[in-house]
Amino acid sequence: AQSVTQLDSQVPVFEEAPVELRCNYSSSVSVYLFWYVQYPNQGLQLLLKYLSGSTLVESINGFEAEFNKSQTSFHLRKPSVHISDTAEYFCAVSPNNAGNMLTFGGGTRLMVKP
Amino acid sequence: NAGVMQNPRHLVRRRGQEARLRCSPMKGHSHVYWYRQLPEEGLKFMVYLQKENIIDESGMPKERFSAEFPKEGPSILRIQQVVRGDSAAYFCASSPPSAITYEQYFGPGTRLTVT
Repeated sequence: AQSVTQLDSQVPVFEEAPVELRCNYSSSVSVYLFWYVQYPNQGLQLLLKYLSGSTLVESINGFEAEFNKSQTSFHLRKPSVHISDTAEYFCAVSPNNAGNMLTFGGGTRLMVKP
Repeated sequence: NAGVMQNPRHLVRRRGQEARLRCSPMKGHSHVYWYRQLPEEGLKFMVYLQKENIIDESGMPKERFSAEFPKEGPSILRIQQVVRGDSAAYFCASSPPSAITYEQYFGPGTRLTVT
C-alpha cells in the first residue's frame, strides 16, 4: 500500500516570489510520482510526472519537481509565481506496474497575492 | 480529440434516492477509474474498470455503490439510497490500453449534493 503526505494545506505567497510545495510518500514497492493541479470547479490536470531517468522533471509553465528516493520526497517548486498559479495542487503516486490507481495527498492550496 | 466527459456536472438528490453518474472516456481509452473527493480532502480511489470488467474495487463502499463499464456506452457509477455523507465531487479518469498505464486523464467531475 502507498500513502502520500502533503505537509502544508495552504501556502500563501506574493506574486513573483518563489514557492515550494512539499510532498512525501511511503510505499513498499517502486512508484511513479505525479503532481496534478486543480483550478476551482474543474477537474485535475497533470502538471508533471516522474517515471524514471533524471530525478528533476519540469513542466511547460515553469514548475519543477525533484524525486529524492532516500528522503521519499517529490517536492514541487517554482522560482517565481503568478496570480494565475492560484489553485489546489495534489501530489500522487502509483505503483510502477500495470494499471493501478493513484493514491493522492490531501492537497495544498497555493494562494498567490498581488 | 475530446477529453473525458462527465455528466451531469451537478446533481442534487434527496436522501434515499438513487444517483447515477456517467463518464465517457477519451477516444481510444479502455481503462476507467472513479475517485471521490470529499470537501477539503484529496481524491480517494474507488474503482478501476476495463470494458465489461471490474479490475479493482478495493475503494468502493461495500453497500449501495456499484460501477459498470459496458461494451458500449459510458461508465456508470451508481449510488443507491443516497445519504448526506455521499455529498462529494466524483471524478472519472481514463487511460489508454497499454501494458503499463501510468497516466490518467481526468474529467471535470460531478458534484453530488444530498439534501
